[in-house]
Amino acid sequence: AQKVTQAQTEISVVEKEDVTLDCVYETRDTTYYLFWYKQPPSGELVFLIRRNSFDEQNEISGRYSWNFQKSTSSFNFTITASQVVDSAVYFCALIGTGRRALTFGSGTRLQVQP
Amino acid sequence: SQTIHQWPATLVQPVGSPLSLECTVEGTSNPNLYWYRQAAGRGLQLLFYSVGIGQISSEVPQNLSASRPQDRQFILSSKKLLLSDSGFYLCAWDRGGAYNEQFFGPGTRLTVL
Repeated sequence: AQKVTQAQTEISVVEKEDVTLDCVYETRDTTYYLFWYKQPPSGELVFLIRRNSFDEQNEISGRYSWNFQKSTSSFNFTITASQVVDSAVYFCALIGTGRRALTFGSGTRLQVQP
Repeated sequence: SQTIHQWPATLVQPVGSPLSLECTVEGTSNPNLYWYRQAAGRGLQLLFYSVGIGQISSEVPQNLSASRPQDRQFILSSKKLLLSDSGFYLCAWDRGGAYNEQFFGPGTRLTVL
């Protein structure tokens, strides 16, 4: 079975603060992919990143960075110098070998206050 | 570029009424298609997926059904809605194959009264 846990239900920060969203996953598959999606108030899910299980190199894209650690089964997402536009619900997701669809975590609601 | 459309954007229906939600994808061919439901304040639950015309797999048994009459069209239906069917319904597509990122439509917010 696959499972994704996002223990932080809601996080509130002030603009320009850094914030890390945690994601812990469980899978017995040796090959799998991890994803992060952003869901702004409009509701549409926006794809942010895909990372495969063989690539533990951290990735940075502008103010966003991702830390993948297989040893702790975690794929954490950090926003540096947060902005009000970052306010959204963020979902971590997993897909494993031979599976057809993503297993999503329950999401973390990020509120960035001006 | 690819785009995905869903309609209607919002819908209010009485209990026991039928349902038809439509999703279409443009700019790609032979996509995998998916229907998810997101209950208020919760994560996404996969309802159906399709790897081709007429091929539907159900993840969760319930009073909903799905059909794929054309390559880039995916329809979610119900003959009689329940209160518990209320939620935010999202359609998604990916390129096919394995492990590809899914791209989501704008969603339909369904309220069953």
